[in-house]
Amino acid sequence: GQQVMQIPQYQHVQEGEDFTTYCNSSTTLSNIQWYKQRPGGHPVFLIQLVKSGEVKKQKRLTFQFGEAKKNSSLHITATQTTDVGTYFCAGGGAGSYQLTFGKGTKLSVIP
Amino acid sequence: DAMVIQNPRYQVTQFGKPVTLSCSQTLNHNVMYWYQQKSSQAPKLLFHYYDKDFNNEADTPDNFQSRRPNTSFCFLDIRSPGLGDAAMYLCATSRPSGGRDLAGWHTQYFGPGTRLTVL
Repeated sequence: GQQVMQIPQYQHVQEGEDFTTYCNSSTTLSNIQWYKQRPGGHPVFLIQLVKSGEVKKQKRLTFQFGEAKKNSSLHITATQTTDVGTYFCAGGGAGSYQLTFGKGTKLSVIP
Repeated sequence: DAMVIQNPRYQVTQFGKPVTLSCSQTLNHNVMYWYQQKSSQAPKLLFHYYDKDFNNEADTPDNFQSRRPNTSFCFLDIRSPGLGDAAMYLCATSRPSGGRDLAGWHTQYFGPGTRLTVL
């Protein structure tokens, strides 16, 4: 079945440094989504990418979807303590409304 | 505000004592999902309903059952909880919007979760 690998598992950064998490799927995806889960909270939808090579920005967050629609990345510029949490990518297959979640990247920001 | 609500937020049960977790939604979404999330792990899909159609994941233990009496409500029943079932249980909804590649086809809206403790 479809597998979504996400790295790194943990990332500790100094406040102000950049952060990137990467996602790779074993199969071509119809779309990829990113979710953020704060400590003790639930996953919250951030964004969805559907087009090959798509790049979307949300303030300091930049999301990319690979040309082959099998990989994706989330980049945060100049991290802040409010960015702390676990970031999950989740891939959707063609014709399916289910998502396959990556294992997540837990981001810690040192003030 | 439209939302996904889960009750209770915290549930303590005894080993082997049946427990029911509740989810309700005001989004009028077709699909409702139940996930199990253990500490520092990704959400693991247990099953989902597309309208009244129930879809079980192959590796979901028989101990876990679900009911969806109407569009708004979905229940997770754990018939005989074991220590290994202690986890956060997340309910989510989505509304496949016709056309497989339209934005919003897959977006899932999660409830706050119920943290289950098994003593």
